[in-house]
Amino acid sequence: SYELIQPPSVSVSPGQTASITCSGDKLGDKYACWYQQKPGQSPVLVIYQDNKRPSGIPERFSGSNSGNTATLTISGTQPMDEADYYCQAYGSSTYVFGTGTKITVL
Amino acid sequence: QVQLQESGPGLVKPSETLSLTCTVSGVSITSYHWNWIRQPPGKGLEWIGYIHYSGNSDYNPSLKSRVTMSVNTSNKQFSLRLKSVSAADTAVYYCAGEGTPGSYAFDLWGQGIMVTVSS
Repeated sequence: SYELIQPPSVSVSPGQTASITCSGDKLGDKYACWYQQKPGQSPVLVIYQDNKRPSGIPERFSGSNSGNTATLTISGTQPMDEADYYCQAYGSSTYVFGTGTKITVL
Repeated sequence: QVQLQESGPGLVKPSETLSLTCTVSGVSITSYHWNWIRQPPGKGLEWIGYIHYSGNSDYNPSLKSRVTMSVNTSNKQFSLRLKSVSAADTAVYYCAGEGTPGSYAFDLWGQGIMVTVSS
């Protein structure tokens, strides 16, 4: 089955840039998207089709996808960005989520 | 305002069938692929399956033998049935919509419903 692997945690200082990677076999050949999930809340789509932002998502969120790795970048990270982030792609007839990354802003 | 609302029992006995319904408001039920996604406590997200208003559906191969989804366009609802449940099926269950065809991304989510499997 298809797997997407993320680092368990990333730490970033306020105002700095945070990057989260998502690794999967030939992921660059598929569309990747990213979700933000805060404690006790439903996930929110922040990036779709590799690098598109849904309406209402701040410009500091950006994405890329090439080769075996998709990347979510948060520029000028704010304390409100502290959350779990999940990548997701469609492969082998299933929608697959990544293992999740907790971003800590300190 | 677009809303998805899950409903159903919060407690199901082992070996029985879990049944949940998602009610859609603020958007046409014909506009999206409708999905069920679950998240065990403290763990990550798992896609269960989708259903289209036409009745077309697809399920996660790991759950396919136990899952059935259906849609009721008149009531603007779609449903999940998961049979022969065990403690491993304890999770928050979300209904979600894939609004942009071909995006394979879920841009609409319900608030989630916690379902515990226990005797």
